[in-house]
Amino acid sequence: DVKVTQSSRYLVKRTGEKVFLECVQDMDHENMFWYRQDPGLGLRLIYFSYDVKMKEKGDIPEGYSVSREKKERFSLILESASTNQTSMYLCASSLPSEQYFGPGTRLTVT
Amino acid sequence: GENVEQHPSTLSVQEGDSAVIKCTYSDSASNYFPWYKQELGKRPQLIIDIRSNVGEKKDQRIAVTLNKTAKHFSLHITETQPEDSAVYFCAASWGVSGYSTLTFGKGTMLLVSP
Repeated sequence: DVKVTQSSRYLVKRTGEKVFLECVQDMDHENMFWYRQDPGLGLRLIYFSYDVKMKEKGDIPEGYSVSREKKERFSLILESASTNQTSMYLCASSLPSEQYFGPGTRLTVT
Repeated sequence: GENVEQHPSTLSVQEGDSAVIKCTYSDSASNYFPWYKQELGKRPQLIIDIRSNVGEKKDQRIAVTLNKTAKHFSLHITETQPEDSAVYFCAASWGVSGYSTLTFGKGTMLLVSP
C-alpha cells in the first residue's frame, strides 16, 4: 500500500512567519506534488518535482518555494506567511500517472 | 496550459438513481483522465481512470466515457448509495519524459439521499 504522510494535520501560524510543510512517501516514487485546495476552486498545483533537487513551478507558485533533498521527502515553504495562504495543502506522489495523496494539512494564517 | 471544466458543481440524487458528472478539457495532447473521490475530511482517492486510446471503461457501478473529438469525458454512477456522497474531481494530463501533471476540475459535490 502506498503511504503518503504529511507532517501536520492542522497548523496555525502568524502573518510573516516562515512555514514548513513536509511530505514523505514510502513507495520510491519519482514524482511529488504540492497542491492547495480551496472551496469552489478545486485542487491547484503549486510546485512539483520529478527528481531529487529538481523542481518545477505549477499554476500558483507565487509566495511558495519547495525543497527536495531526498527522493522520499518534498517540503513546501512559505517564506512569509500571509492570510491569503490560509488553505488546505495536499501533497501527492506518483509514478508517471496515478497520484496518491497525503491526508492534507489545514493551515490557518492569522 | 490545460484547462478542465467540470459540471455540475453540486448534484443531488435519490438512492438508486444514476448520477452523471461531465468534464471538458482544452489540450488535445492530454491522454490520461482520472477521477478522484474525496469524502468529507479525507484525502482524494482514485476511483477510475481512462486513457485516450479507450472510449469507455467500467468498474462495477462506475463507468467513464471519453470523447476525444469533442474533448469531453464523463463519470457515470449507477444505483447510487448514500456512501457515494462525496466530492468528485475529474482531471486531465499529458505525460512528458516520465512524469505528468494533473489539471483538476473544480469538483462536484454529490449528495445521495436515502
